[in-house]
Amino acid sequence: GNSVTQMEGPVTLSEEAFLTINCTYTATGYPSLFWYVQYPGEGLQLLLKATKADDKGSNKGFEATYRKETTSFHLEKGSVQVSDSAVYFCARDYGGATNKLIFGTGTLLAVQP
Amino acid sequence: KAGVTQTPRYLIKTRGQQVTLSCSPISGHRSVSWYQQTPGQGLQFLFEYFSETQRNKGNFPGRFSGRQFSNSRSEMNVSTLELGDSALYLCASSIEQGSYEQYFGPGTRLTVT
Repeated sequence: GNSVTQMEGPVTLSEEAFLTINCTYTATGYPSLFWYVQYPGEGLQLLLKATKADDKGSNKGFEATYRKETTSFHLEKGSVQVSDSAVYFCARDYGGATNKLIFGTGTLLAVQP
Repeated sequence: KAGVTQTPRYLIKTRGQQVTLSCSPISGHRSVSWYQQTPGQGLQFLFEYFSETQRNKGNFPGRFSGRQFSNSRSEMNVSTLELGDSALYLCASSIEQGSYEQYFGPGTRLTVT
């Protein structure tokens, strides 16, 4: 079935370090892919998305490229800040005429000053 | 534009009781989805509504139900609460049905004692 696998956390980095959070998805159909971020005590915010192969989503210094050949959508940021500390969720759409999303388990990022 | 609002934000109920949670989507959005978030199971899709009709349902028992009103506002109901129903319940809205961007509310934190 449809699923998303992302690297387990927590990921602990120093400020200004490079961030990579790995995400792979099952290749059923041609899904749209998303990264959501959840700050403590809040709901999910859409960080970026990509709707087809080779698309690059970007926002607030974060980037992710839709790689069909490796079924991956890894999240990267060149220089993290303390304010980036949050839980990051990779997701794919279920496909068809539905807004249902399939989420990964989430990766906690802690950035230390 | 106001975001997705959910009420109440926090709720404490006793086993066996029933609860109703409310979600008001972004103005102009016609699709509402509900998710349950727990530390053990992560984010799981509950159901999706569009034009007052349930379009999709996740793997939850019949104790979980919902509805959507003509103004697109949605409610979900859980009857005969169990301890395992303790979770953050998130509502998401989107303009239409079918792989559109979804915007999440802050969630309702339900604690069952």
